[in-house]
Amino acid sequence: AQSVAQPEDQVNVAEGNPLTVKCTYSVSGNPYLFWYVQYPNRGLQFLLKYITGDNLVKGSYGFEAEFNKSQTSFHLKKPSALVSDSALYFCAVRDKSDSNYQLIWGAGTKLIIKP
Amino acid sequence: ETGVTQSPTHLIKTRGQQVTLRCSSQSGHNTVSWYQQALGQGPQFIFQYYREEENGRGNFPPRFSGLQFPNYSSELNVNALELDDSALYLCASSSGTGINEKLFFGSGTQLSVL
Repeated sequence: AQSVAQPEDQVNVAEGNPLTVKCTYSVSGNPYLFWYVQYPNRGLQFLLKYITGDNLVKGSYGFEAEFNKSQTSFHLKKPSALVSDSALYFCAVRDKSDSNYQLIWGAGTKLIIKP
Repeated sequence: ETGVTQSPTHLIKTRGQQVTLRCSSQSGHNTVSWYQQALGQGPQFIFQYYREEENGRGNFPPRFSGLQFPNYSSELNVNALELDDSALYLCASSSGTGINEKLFFGSGTQLSVL
């Protein structure tokens, strides 16, 4: 069965420090991987995706993520955190061979950036 | 903003009733998917419509049904509402059926079932 795990409910980082939000996944085939961000009272916004190719993917707002096939991970990173990065972050995965187009989501990680 | 609009923003129903939620997709998008997001959890895939046909479905019972119209707007219908149906319902649009498409989400409809 497909699944996504975000092991940390909350991550606290001081402004200006690097941040990492962790994600591991399980699919039977090859994955498409995504990160989305959810601000209060707003819908989910796309950050970045891994489809194929370079394992380091760059996305919106200075975020990047590294695909690690051996560790089945897709951690979200940013070199220098901003207070405005505080939000709820979701990792999601699709199995390339899934004809049902189902996107499986993690439970989310609340990122708090302190000034 | 994504250009995906959902209505209503909030809704209160009682157990056993039926509800219809609406979604207007972003211009140029022909695919709409629906998600249920319970409090403190990630979204769960309900189903997807491409050019007016359902082409994917998650683990939701048949009382969750949908429609997509020629202008690619969509409806989610839930019959015989249960207390556990209380959640944020999100609509997302995308172009094509590509499994790697990025999704554009609306702000959601908050459904409360009493």
